[in-house]
Amino acid sequence: NAGVTQTPKFQVLKTGQSMTLQCAQDMNHNSMYWYRQDPGMGLRLIYYSASEGTTDKGEVPNGYNVSRLNKREFSLRLESAAPSQTSVYFCASSGPTVATEAFFGQGTRLTVV
Amino acid sequence: AQSVTQLDSHVSVSEGTPVLLRCNYSSSYSPSLFWYVQHPNKGLQLLLKYTSAATLVKGINGFEAEFKKSETSFHLTKPSAHMSDAAEYFCVVSDLTGFQKLVFGTGTRLLVSP
Repeated sequence: NAGVTQTPKFQVLKTGQSMTLQCAQDMNHNSMYWYRQDPGMGLRLIYYSASEGTTDKGEVPNGYNVSRLNKREFSLRLESAAPSQTSVYFCASSGPTVATEAFFGQGTRLTVV
Repeated sequence: AQSVTQLDSHVSVSEGTPVLLRCNYSSSYSPSLFWYVQHPNKGLQLLLKYTSAATLVKGINGFEAEFKKSETSFHLTKPSAHMSDAAEYFCVVSDLTGFQKLVFGTGTRLLVSP
């Protein structure tokens, strides 16, 4: 019953440091997503992957890179963290049709100082 | 392009009174619509979804929503609020053509007082 698992849950970075957020799903979903959540702005799509081997930019991709390592895993990398990237990050996955809901991880709270 | 407008950033109700959270959407095609709930410091959980079947959709924990195409609305209701309903609620639209990209509203925080 794991669903979507994100690591780490919390992270503090200094400006300029890099890190990778990991995400794995065990529901055999093709589609995976990375969102960021900021107060008063809802969730905004950073990158998504429609299937293994493909990735595309979402609404706010600047400063991020992603890797769809295999069908299960979709990682998000911050190459040079900035204070503006302080946020809560959510990974999600969804099933084969546009009518199926997305399942979300528990989130990663990232602070860049 | 799709978009979602949640008309209230905060809604306050007393326990036992009705809940109404308002959502209007814009979509070029027939949309799928969802309501998600987020309790403090938690992930998002699906409450209910509309996918072009019945226009009145029932979800978990006594919530329901009605899809009104003429009004482009998908408001969330519950007859009687419970303290445990205090959370943030997100209305979400997904276009029914091509790849599923969910577009989130900015959220409505529901406050429930005793």
